[in-house]
Amino acid sequence: EVQLVETGGGLIQPGGSLRLSCAASGFTVSSNYMSWVRQAPGKGLEWVSVIYSGGSTYYADSVKGRFTISRDNSKNTLYLQMNILRAEDTAVYYCARREALTGPFDYWGQGTLVTVSS
Amino acid sequence: QSALTQPASVSGSPGQSITISCTGTSSDVGGYKYVSWYQQHPGKAPKLMIYDVSNRPSGVSNRFSGSKSGNTASLTISGLQAEDEADYYCSSYTSSSSVVFGGGTKLTVL
Repeated sequence: EVQLVETGGGLIQPGGSLRLSCAASGFTVSSNYMSWVRQAPGKGLEWVSVIYSGGSTYYADSVKGRFTISRDNSKNTLYLQMNILRAEDTAVYYCARREALTGPFDYWGQGTLVTVSS
Repeated sequence: QSALTQPASVSGSPGQSITISCTGTSSDVGGYKYVSWYQQHPGKAPKLMIYDVSNRPSGVSNRFSGSKSGNTASLTISGLQAEDEADYYCSSYTSSSSVVFGGGTKLTVL
């Protein structure tokens, strides 16, 4: 059974850093296109970042230069390192799987809430 | 990349059919067959309902169907049921090899 479990969210002050984790089971993270998608309170879905099966990484303009996506193949886990956090980064962060670059997000985690506030 | 345009809300009575539109450009919806639809109940993660414009994943009711014409994709739900009440999001592959979502549509079953 495919499962994605995010951890690492919490309350952080503006300018701070946080690392999110997404532990996968039932499939191999490194063989898929893994993304982070966020949802601000009461708002819609926003794609944040992707790591290709080949290792290439891409980011939304809103987080470029501040967020870093990575994976640990030995742990079958996806990460999102978030630096220089802003109030507008407050959201539920989901990890999601795509089997192909053009494929749909077929599995999602339950999400982890990040709140940036002083 | 601007978000795809969806109506903020739609409503229908049980048993009726509703359609949610999703309008983009030739660089996303109009240029590819890679449009997906997601259902999200409050406090839950999104669930894939339609992919590649009109395909249903295993386990999704055949009351859900998708189509596309030009730069606009549509999700139709027939035989509305109370449990269909949720937020619905479209997404599309884009010419920059990225993904863009719609703003979301709140479906109310009257």
